[in-house]
Amino acid sequence: VLLVQSGAEVRKPGESLRLSCQTSGYAFTTHWITWVRQGPGKALEFVARIDPSDSYTDINPSFQGRVNISVDKADNTVYLKWTTVKASDSAMYYCARLGMAAYRHSGLDVWGLGTRVTVS
Amino acid sequence: EVVLTQSPGTLSLSPGERVSFSCRASERVSSNYLAWYQQRAGQPPRLLIYGASHRAPGIPDRFSGSGSGTDFTLTLSRLEPEDSAVYYCHQYGTSLYTFGQGTKLEIK
Repeated sequence: VLLVQSGAEVRKPGESLRLSCQTSGYAFTTHWITWVRQGPGKALEFVARIDPSDSYTDINPSFQGRVNISVDKADNTVYLKWTTVKASDSAMYYCARLGMAAYRHSGLDVWGLGTRVTVS
Repeated sequence: EVVLTQSPGTLSLSPGERVSFSCRASERVSSNYLAWYQQRAGQPPRLLIYGASHRAPGIPDRFSGSGSGTDFTLTLSRLEPEDSAVYYCHQYGTSLYTFGQGTKLEIK
């Protein structure tokens, strides 16, 4: 199982941004995908999650209106789009898979290596 | 929002020792959907424990989790140098996931 994330991005405040997370090695529609970010020296922060089977989404209210999460089933990829970024959005962004064990969710069991986003 | 408070903030211990980290939730964690992660410098987090007490595949039995409701504990026994990392708790029982602020462990 692999989650391969897109490369580092640099944006100016007010610009848009799209990150990608391509999955492989498992049935894409069977596991939720979550985006988590981590500012420099900071803790982990939930951004959004999506169920690839029906594209149901949950977005952190702190980012509501600026963030969209979507899937492309044709190439097993999840996208995180920011309509407008701020300097405070500078962070490492990780995608992670929500595991399943005995029909119960089992934590974020597989992580991508991260995408560094700089807004300046 | 379920707020997770971890303690202590930082620890410095010697190889071979045993340590416990605490994670306290502001309300009951639904279905005990509480996980622990290890994050070494420059790496993504690694899942250690899910469902409060279940070890993830490939995690040594030196790592154990316990607790339910609002109080959870991660215990590491027989510390090794590679255990130096930040440890996070995470609740995934609500649609708004939350994480603790982390406990930094240094192995002297």
